[in-house]
Amino acid sequence: GENVEQHPSTLSVQEGDSAVIKCTYSDSASNYFPWYKQELGKGPQLIIDIRSNVGEKKDQRIAVTLNKTAKHFSLHITETQPEDSAVYFCAANSNTGNQFYFGTGTSLTVIP
Amino acid sequence: DVKVTQSSRYLVKRTGEKVFLECVQDMDHENMFWYRQDPGLGLRLIYFSYDVKMKEKGDIPEGYSVSREKKERFSLILESASTNQTSMYLCASSPRRNTEAFFGQGTRLTVV
Repeated sequence: GENVEQHPSTLSVQEGDSAVIKCTYSDSASNYFPWYKQELGKGPQLIIDIRSNVGEKKDQRIAVTLNKTAKHFSLHITETQPEDSAVYFCAANSNTGNQFYFGTGTSLTVIP
Repeated sequence: DVKVTQSSRYLVKRTGEKVFLECVQDMDHENMFWYRQDPGLGLRLIYFSYDVKMKEKGDIPEGYSVSREKKERFSLILESASTNQTSMYLCASSPRRNTEAFFGQGTRLTVV
């Protein structure tokens, strides 16, 4: 099955700085890559996603890039704010599209 | 808004008990999932279902079973709870393949 690796496991940045989280995947058949944010005491919530026919997608301060050849994708958060502090998970779909494989998560702390 | 509701936020059960975790979604989604979340391991898929009465094993099905008698409801069953099943359990649903999964708020299960 798919194997998704995520780095770093923890990340601290000063408010206003950028944060980058990187993931790699193993199955070249994966074609959908969502990113989830999990705040304390809540379930994960989608913040952005990208499909394999696109190399980059942006939504305000959040962007995701995908390199299909290298099988890696990254989350970029610019102008970080304290409310960005959370655990972030990357994921890749299976070759059947019926399930997702998740990375191990990155705990982001934005220091005011 | 899609709502995925898990019946309990916190549960404490004794070793050997049969435990039922219930999940209901209100958006007529085809797919439903049960994940287990542990620190440093991310989200691991236990079982998923793509239709009523249909189920498929995920990566860690041992010690668990599931039931989907109605489209909106997906139950996770621990046949005989053990201490190593102490964890956060997350239910999710998605409308079809290769689309966003919506998560419930999670059930923190402690087996003593």
